[in-house]
Amino acid sequence: QVLLVESGGGVVQPGRSLKLSCVVSGFTFSVNGMHWVRQAPGKGLEWVADIWHDGSKEYYADSVKDRFTISRDNSKNTLYLHMNGLRAEDTAVYFCARDVWGSGYKVLDYWGQGTLVTVSS
Amino acid sequence: QSVLTQPPSASGTPGQRVTISCSGSSSNIGTNSVNWYQQLPGTAPKLLIYGNNQRPSGVPDRFFGSKSGTSASLAISGLQSEDEVDYYCAAWDDSLNAYVFGTGTKVTVL
Repeated sequence: QVLLVESGGGVVQPGRSLKLSCVVSGFTFSVNGMHWVRQAPGKGLEWVADIWHDGSKEYYADSVKDRFTISRDNSKNTLYLHMNGLRAEDTAVYFCARDVWGSGYKVLDYWGQGTLVTVSS
Repeated sequence: QSVLTQPPSASGTPGQRVTISCSGSSSNIGTNSVNWYQQLPGTAPKLLIYGNNQRPSGVPDRFFGSKSGTSASLAISGLQSEDEVDYYCAAWDDSLNAYVFGTGTKVTVL
């Protein structure tokens, strides 16, 4: 059974930092690219960042570039999101998700339950 | 900011067919396959359709996806009360190097 469990969310003041973790099980973590997606309260889904299966490449949304860093530890089956310089507009539920590629498709198929980050003074 | 455009709402009576559109561009839907997610309030998105028209195991065949050019559609036939949730389209965008989502559509069962 594929399982992704996020942690690390909470209330943080503007300008401060926070680190999210996503522990996975039920599949070979080192084979899949991984992503962070967020959803602000009452809003739609926004892709945040992704990292290749071996950690060799990372991509970021413009809204978080130079502030957030995605990383992974394949020996611990864990994905991370380091968030610096947090702003009120970063308030959201953060989901981690696995990506899979096949013939004619690329998709984020399994998602964690999400962890809430609230940026407020 | 969403790159793919969906209508904010769609509705139908029980048993009817509802269709949700998703409009993109040549760098996303025009080049890559489209995926659809269903999201119940307070929960993670659930994959409904991948690769334009493939259903993961367990998804009823009432849900049907299609794509043409830079647009895609999700059709829900035999509408049920449990279908009254939010739906999002998504695709890779080769220009942005990002996985882009639609603006989301809330389905209401009248």
